[in-house]
Amino acid sequence: KQEVTQIPAALSVPEGENLVLNCSFTDSAIYNLQWFRQDPGKGLTSLLLIQSSQREQTSGRLNASLDKSSGRSTLYIAASQPGDSATYLCAVPNNAGNMLTFGGGTRLMVKP
Amino acid sequence: DTEVTQTPKHLVMGMTNKKSLKCEQHMGHRAMYWYKQKAKKPPELMFVYSYEKLSINESVPSRFSPECPNSSLLNLHLHALQPEDSALYLCASSQAPSIANEQFFGPGTRLTVL
Repeated sequence: KQEVTQIPAALSVPEGENLVLNCSFTDSAIYNLQWFRQDPGKGLTSLLLIQSSQREQTSGRLNASLDKSSGRSTLYIAASQPGDSATYLCAVPNNAGNMLTFGGGTRLMVKP
Repeated sequence: DTEVTQTPKHLVMGMTNKKSLKCEQHMGHRAMYWYKQKAKKPPELMFVYSYEKLSINESVPSRFSPECPNSSLLNLHLHALQPEDSALYLCASSQAPSIANEQFFGPGTRLTVL
């Protein structure tokens, strides 16, 4: 059974710092990995979908990398801003593609 | 239109009430999902509809009853809920229930059961 873990569970940084969020998964036979952002009490916003054939995917100040062989993905946030404060979740689909297994999330706070 | 909408945003109900949650998407997606999310926990899958047919029921109690009237709409009918059912209910959709497809989530319905 796939297990997804995110470390750290919470992170507080000063504005302007570059930071890395980590996601690890136990079954490396994944097709893709999706990173989401969730603001308190709100739905999930898809940030990046990185396919297993890709090593990196970029969107603005966000860069996601994927290393299937080691079962890891990282989300790099450049020049963090207070507006980046949210919970970040990673998720991988099962083999049928109809179920996502989520990590526990990293709660990020960027202080002005 | 690239969004999933959910109504209502908030719902408070008693344990004897019957209510429904509604989800809608106009992206032509043929797979729709219900998730339940408790505070500070990741979402947990409840149901999957594929081409308007229920394909996955993750052992959800019968007091939750999903319905997919057409390819754009997904409902979740609620009856005789318990206080522990209070949570954020999220709807999502994808092009098809394929391993390659990205899931898009709605804003959720915050449910409180008294």
